[in-house]
Amino acid sequence: KQEVTQIPAALSVPEGENLVLNCSFTDSAIYNLQWFRQDPGKGLTSLLLIQSSQREQTSGRLNASLDKSSGRSTLYIAASQPGDSATYLCAFERDSSYKLIFGSGTRLLVRP
Amino acid sequence: DTAVSQTPKYLVTQMGNDKSIKCEQNLGHDTMYWYKQDSKKFLKIMFSYNNKELIINETVPNRFSPKSPDKAHLNLHINSLELGDSAVYFCASSKGGNIGRLQETQYFGPGTRLLVL
Repeated sequence: KQEVTQIPAALSVPEGENLVLNCSFTDSAIYNLQWFRQDPGKGLTSLLLIQSSQREQTSGRLNASLDKSSGRSTLYIAASQPGDSATYLCAFERDSSYKLIFGSGTRLLVRP
Repeated sequence: DTAVSQTPKYLVTQMGNDKSIKCEQNLGHDTMYWYKQDSKKFLKIMFSYNNKELIINETVPNRFSPKSPDKAHLNLHINSLELGDSAVYFCASSKGGNIGRLQETQYFGPGTRLLVL
């Protein structure tokens, strides 16, 4: 059973569009939720971390929200750029266990 | 300066061989991790060490044995490699400890691409 689901699996948009990536999780006992970016052939880079008591975090053009009651998080990217093209992964840590549980990611392509 | 480094970057080997992947972090972190990313791109935790002590051991075959000689290094040794071991293996580290844990993120290495023929 998949604990973290990310929709859509892939997304292609023209440069300049605002977009939303969705993440849903089945476990309400989250300690924190994180969004990562993975570029092809590279490791993961942490983008935003939302503590379980918080509802959102912002960094530049990125805004992540967390709704524990509905088991959802969204990553909003404003004014998308070709450099934003990557796979975006969401992950939650359960119960301060140090264990991150990942979704399979959304592959984003921003066309010039 | 590379924060979390892994060697080798690529590893191609025959079934049945034994191989090791090394990981080093220069962030002064106390906790290190090994993840496996399969062909469907799912990342799954395998092991975690905190100050050289094993704290997470998922249901991984005992052919996989992590070793932490000191808290800056976490190596992964794999015995009797099988075709299904082909994947990308990522090492990561985090600060660890209890203070500030809620805001703690993990820093990932570039990955080791293992192909078992």
